[in-house]
Amino acid sequence: EAQVTQNPRYLITVTGKKLTVTCSQNMNHEYMSWYRQDPGLGLRQIYYSMNVEVTDKGDVPEGYKVSRKEKRNFPLILESPSPNQTSLYFCASSLYPNQPQHFGDGTRLSIL
Amino acid sequence: ILNVEQSPQSLHVQEGDSTNFTCSFPSSNFYALHWYRWETAKSPEALFVMTLNGDEKKKGRISATLNTKEGYSYLYIKGSQPEDSATYLCASLGGATNKLIFGTGTLLAVQP
Repeated sequence: EAQVTQNPRYLITVTGKKLTVTCSQNMNHEYMSWYRQDPGLGLRQIYYSMNVEVTDKGDVPEGYKVSRKEKRNFPLILESPSPNQTSLYFCASSLYPNQPQHFGDGTRLSIL
Repeated sequence: ILNVEQSPQSLHVQEGDSTNFTCSFPSSNFYALHWYRWETAKSPEALFVMTLNGDEKKKGRISATLNTKEGYSYLYIKGSQPEDSATYLCASLGGATNKLIFGTGTLLAVQP
């Protein structure tokens, strides 16, 4: 089954404790993205990747890192999480950016 | 227009009503316009991606049009049903970057 898998689905952690949210897709898609969703602000792109070893900043990259060492995986890394990064995060992929995005189920992060 | 704007913010209609909403986006350097349907507690699902001025797409009772010269797209729902209740998101892909910029969505509630 074609899918985008994010883990974990929920995480409560504390300020400053490094965390990684994994994202994996099985559709051989070139384009992968991370978004955060906050009330009243809609989906905002954090980082995107056009291919292996090619990543670019979206609109809200501060405080986040990503890597794309393999085509299928695009982890989101919070080196030193802070409470303002409490949010709902989505990973998405598509063959190219002008193709429909497939979204993961979302990860709800709470940083205390 | 510098951002992607959607109107109205929310809409309440009766079952059977037809409705439409608007997405406005920067017309310069335009590459593609995405529409997504997002039900509560689920992930966004792709409806359409349009690239050419004058494009019209249809999926069942839902259709969309695109005007790239003036920077707007309309989404139409014919004969709304309660299961159409969701937030409808549009996103613009500019030609200069591969960033996807989302609007804040239109929340549609269809009363039986």
